[in-house]
Amino acid sequence: GEDVEQSLFLSVREGDSSVINCTYTDSSSTYLYWYKQEPGAGLQLLTYIFSNMDMKQDQRLTVLLNKKDKHLSLRIADTQTGDSAIYFCAETPFSGGYNKLIFGAGTRLAVHP
Amino acid sequence: DGGITQSPKYLFRKEGQNVTLSCEQNLNHDAMYWYRQDPGQGLRLIYYSQIVNDFQKGDIAEGYSVSREKKESFPLTVTSAQKNPTAFYLCASRPGGGREQFFGPGTRLTVL
Repeated sequence: GEDVEQSLFLSVREGDSSVINCTYTDSSSTYLYWYKQEPGAGLQLLTYIFSNMDMKQDQRLTVLLNKKDKHLSLRIADTQTGDSAIYFCAETPFSGGYNKLIFGAGTRLAVHP
Repeated sequence: DGGITQSPKYLFRKEGQNVTLSCEQNLNHDAMYWYRQDPGQGLRLIYYSQIVNDFQKGDIAEGYSVSREKKESFPLTVTSAQKNPTAFYLCASRPGGGREQFFGPGTRLTVL
């Protein structure tokens, strides 16, 4: 079946790096995504990675993909208070044609001084 | 400005009433989606449409209906048959051939 799991909460100090982890079960996943949601708002696409890549970097964000272990992580360098939000991992199975996104429950990131 | 708009931001209805949530996009995207978000859970797909006058059920379509008469609009009706309609509803769109879905700001529906 299709399932995406994330830890529910992460607390980091301002200026440190944050690492948010995600595991998925569908080996046919084609793309994996990270979205950010601030309170009461919609989801903002942060980045995504194709399943045949193992790393993608975009400014302060680094995505690592271990396809063998079906493990995805998002590293945020120099975490700021504005990074406090819920982060969702999502994957799209091959059969979905980019129409079906399977979401994790989200990781709430709290950044403290 | 290009984007996805959802209105209203907050909506209150009495139990037993149908209610329609609006979603409009001016991005010229082909595909549009409706998701439901409940506290502490990920998003679940209600309906999606890849082209005008065509739509498909998602994982939790029971108690909902949609229409796609225009490319830019994809309204969602929450009917009285939906047992637990109180939730945060998110609309998204995707360009033809694109891999990313882009989300609107959401509508919080509360049924009293």
